[in-house]
This record gives sequence, C-alpha cells and structure tokens, in this order.
Amino acid sequence: DVKVTQSSRYLVKRTGEKVFLECVQDMDHENMFWYRQDPGLGLRLIYFSYDVKMKEKGDIPEGYSVSREKKERFSLILESASTNQTSMYLCASSRPQGTEAFFGQGTRLTVV
Amino acid sequence: AQTVTQSQPEMSVQEAETVTLSCTYDTSENNYYLFWYKQPPSRQMILVIRQEAYKQQNATENRFSVNFQKAAKSFSLKISDSQLGDTAMYFCAFIPNNTDKLIFGTGTRLQVFP
Repeated sequence: DVKVTQSSRYLVKRTGEKVFLECVQDMDHENMFWYRQDPGLGLRLIYFSYDVKMKEKGDIPEGYSVSREKKERFSLILESASTNQTSMYLCASSRPQGTEAFFGQGTRLTVV
Repeated sequence: AQTVTQSQPEMSVQEAETVTLSCTYDTSENNYYLFWYKQPPSRQMILVIRQEAYKQQNATENRFSVNFQKAAKSFSLKISDSQLGDTAMYFCAFIPNNTDKLIFGTGTRLQVFP
C-alpha cells in the first residue's frame, strides 16, 4: 500500500518560531510537493522538488523554504512563523510525466 | 500564467441523480495532463480520473466520466448515480507538459443528499 506520511496532523506554534513540517514517501517517487490549502483558495503550490536537492518555487514561496536531502523526505520550513501561515499543509509525491500524485493526510498548523 | 478555474464553489445533488462539475484551464501548450481529485471530510486526497490531452477519447472510471473539450479548454466531471459517499471537495488539476508541477483549481464542494 503506497504511502505519504506527514509527521503531524495538528500543530500549534507561536509567532516567530521556526517550524519544520516533515513528509516521507515510500514509493521512490522523484517528485514531491508542498501545498497550502485555505477555504476558497484551493491548493496553492509552495514548493516543488523533482529530485534530491532540486527544488522550484511554486506560487506562494514567501516565508517558506524546503529541504530535500534524501529522495524519500521533503521538509517544509517556516523560518519565522506568522499568524497568516495558519493553514492546512498537504504534501504529495508522484513519478514524472503526468502521473497520479499521492497525498499525505495533511497537517493543520495554527500559529498563535 | 497557467491557471485552473472552477466556477462552482458549492453544488448539491440528490442520491442516484447525475451532477456535472465544471473546470476550465488556461495554457498555450498542446500536450498536458488533466485530473480530478476528491477530498472527503477525512482529508485524504485521492485521484478520481486522469486525462491525457493528446487523447481525444474522454476518460471514464465507473460512475465518473469527463467531458474534455480541448479547443474550449474545458474539462468537466460527470458523476452518475450519485452516492452519499461522493460527498467531498472536488479539485480539478493540471500538469503542463514541460514540467511535473501539479496546479489545482479552487475546488467545488459537493453535497449528496439522501
């Protein structure tokens, strides 16, 4: 059974904290994604990685960074959390060439 | 910019009836991939159906089918014989041919009533 695992389902952090969201996939996928999901805005791409140590900015990269040191793991980093980063964060992975993406369960992050 | 537009924020349908969700997209490319994903209240996003733009035949998966109109850049999802378990957010998504970036629309919340 294929799996994308996000380290937390719920997270509460304080303003200004450095926050790490971890995502691990067990399918040997080349591509990994971080999205932010907000009501009425759908899924917005934060960062995309197509290989180890390779990344591309998505539509809303400001305030975020990513790390992919190993193929199976893709980390999203909030350098200094702010209240406007309170959201649902979804990780996904896929093979190249327009194949199906598999998603994690999501992390609901609240910044107070 | 390549975008996906879902103009129906919410829809409802009675059990056993048919419903169509709309999606349009914007691209200048000739080859790309289109998807419908479903996100039930459990939050787990799953693939409903996939279409390759160079294939003229509309994709079908059991009760789910698409109406792919390439010239109009339209990709609607038809759900036949709606079931209570179809209640979910439905997202239209798109991958341009020259990248693997998966771009989503804003979603349509579908409620199936008994």
